[in-house]
Amino acid sequence: AQSVTQPDIHITVSEGASLELRCNYSYGATPYLFWYVQSPGQGLQLLLKYFSGDTLVQGIKGFEAEFKRSQSSFNLRKPSVHWSDAAEYFCAVGSLNSNSGYALNFGKGTSLLVTP
Amino acid sequence: DVKVTQSSRYLVKRTGEKVFLECVQDMDHENMFWYRQDPGLGLRLIYFSYDVKMKEKGDIPEGYSVSREKKERFSLILESASTNQTSMYLCATGRASQETQYFGPGTRLLVL
Repeated sequence: AQSVTQPDIHITVSEGASLELRCNYSYGATPYLFWYVQSPGQGLQLLLKYFSGDTLVQGIKGFEAEFKRSQSSFNLRKPSVHWSDAAEYFCAVGSLNSNSGYALNFGKGTSLLVTP
Repeated sequence: DVKVTQSSRYLVKRTGEKVFLECVQDMDHENMFWYRQDPGLGLRLIYFSYDVKMKEKGDIPEGYSVSREKKERFSLILESASTNQTSMYLCATGRASQETQYFGPGTRLLVL
């Protein structure tokens, strides 16, 4: 069965510092991988996704993620964090369901705090 | 832009009440999903639907039912609300041929 692990529950970074959020997955085939962000009290917004091709994908708000098959990882990075990046971040893996198309399996999330 | 709306942002109900949460999308997506989100547990899939009048159980369907009478509308029903159903409920939609899901703003339900 597929699973997604986000090892860090909370991360604190200073504004302007670089950021890396970790995501590891377990899935038999080539996965479809996603990062979503959730601001306080809001729904989830798609940051970026990987389906195939170039293993470094660019997303919105200056985020990027790198797919590493050998490490079963899809870590999210940003070179310089802004205070507005404080939010909860979810990694997800998609799998093909014979009836519905694709279903997503989410990690438990990483809460990012940005300090001045 | 995909627009997914949920009928209420905040809801307070009493134990035993029947609760309806409604989700509406304007993008003609085939798939619709209901998740609940709890601290430390992430998002867990309750039910999803891939077509009108079709539904499939997700990971935690107990205590819930769903209805999809029209393509754009997907309702989550709590037949007899209990305190352990206090949670944030998120609706999502997506095309059958694509993996990306688009989320509504969520409904925060408190059952007293």
